[in-house]
Amino acid sequence: EPEVTQTPSHQVTQMGQEVILRCVPISNHLYFYWYRQILGQKVEFLVSFYNNEISEKSEIFDDQFSVERPDGSNFTLKIRSTKLEDSAMYFCASSAGQGIGHTQYFGPGTRLTVL
Amino acid sequence: AQSVTQLDSHVSVSEGTPVLLRCNYSSSYSPSLFWYVQHPNKGLQLLLKYTSAATLVKGINGFEAEFKKSETSFHLTKPSAHMSDAAEYFCVVSVANSGYALNFGKGTSLLVTP
Repeated sequence: EPEVTQTPSHQVTQMGQEVILRCVPISNHLYFYWYRQILGQKVEFLVSFYNNEISEKSEIFDDQFSVERPDGSNFTLKIRSTKLEDSAMYFCASSAGQGIGHTQYFGPGTRLTVL
Repeated sequence: AQSVTQLDSHVSVSEGTPVLLRCNYSSSYSPSLFWYVQHPNKGLQLLLKYTSAATLVKGINGFEAEFKKSETSFHLTKPSAHMSDAAEYFCVVSVANSGYALNFGKGTSLLVTP
């Protein structure tokens, strides 16, 4: 069964450094998403991406964040200058379509620790 | 705004007894509702979804949920708990006016005791 994969599983970085989190969505999916879960808090939507453009983003997704689909398979989240409060589990998801009836399939997550 | 509230942060049941995880929703539109499960160190797995078809939705691993519009509820149930059901469960609503981004509840941690 196809699944979403994410690398790395764990990332430790120093405050102020740039990090890139990588995701490989399910191959025939067209919509891509990033969510995050700060320890002890609920899962929060960051951004959705379709047709090489951001389609929706939350208030969390400020200028320090960016997303890219650099090739036909990868979908990346870049945090330009990490802060302590960026420490969280980051989940990538993909779906074949958007709207009622379409399911978002999640990857296993990348745990980001900012020191 | 579309949101969900999970009424219990922790639920403990004995193996073989019924499971009930409660979720209420708030939505201006006809909602799409989901239950996802997260086992330790694993990703989020879809258990089941409601998309305005049958109000009783059957999912994987014997779980089911009933959409009750009059009560704005979407509770998750299972007749008989198994040890492997111990996990974190999330009730989720799809936000139609935000590109169908998912809005998660805070989660319910299910503990299954022998």
